[in-house]
Amino acid sequence: DAGVIQSPRHEVTEMGQEVTLRCKPISGHNSLFWYRQTMMRGLELLIYFNNNVPIDDSGMPEDRFSAKMPNASFSTLKIQPSEPRDSAVYFCASSLSREWGTGELFFGEGSRLTVL
Amino acid sequence: QQQVKQSPQSLIVQKGGISIINCAYENTAFDYFPWYQQFPGKGPALLIAIRPDVSEKKEGRFTISFNKSAKQFSLHIMDSQPGDSATYFCAASPAPARQLTFGSGTQLTVLP
Repeated sequence: DAGVIQSPRHEVTEMGQEVTLRCKPISGHNSLFWYRQTMMRGLELLIYFNNNVPIDDSGMPEDRFSAKMPNASFSTLKIQPSEPRDSAVYFCASSLSREWGTGELFFGEGSRLTVL
Repeated sequence: QQQVKQSPQSLIVQKGGISIINCAYENTAFDYFPWYQQFPGKGPALLIAIRPDVSEKKEGRFTISFNKSAKQFSLHIMDSQPGDSATYFCAASPAPARQLTFGSGTQLTVLP
């Protein structure tokens, strides 16, 4: 299995530009999570999908952030317009909810975003 | 509201020593407590996890101790090795495979 695949790995953009981060979860997984990691705030949950439906988006910072999951194999996180304070590493993770499972969230390698 | 508090922020141990990281939680709805390990440039990866129906779980050199009444849990790394040098995060969730609330992380350095 290829694991959770994120793109781009690195993105440098200027303030005000639109940024789109992409995620391909592990095939067969039914939950998908977007996290943001910064030195100041650590790992924060932004949004959580189950069976492609957003379940908890209380962590989305503001209206500039939006996330979609049009199908079970693809999700996007969009920031429009971007601001320097959005600079962070954004992680996508997926999991399979089942009673006998390990409960593990599998993380991608992250997308490092720098907004100048 | 920080729901999972982790300490220490950083830890330096000698090779062969014991590394201990502590966490405390507030939300009694949490029912699953994993520890994740993260190396630079990589995403976090599950190390070991525990449910509150047991007080201890051991996997190799890694042990979780859990105290439900105190709402605390800890990670013990026995015979610490330089390859264990990484950032460790405790976390909590209402159930396995659900959204995790992470602690602030502990940067562990094991000296050769």
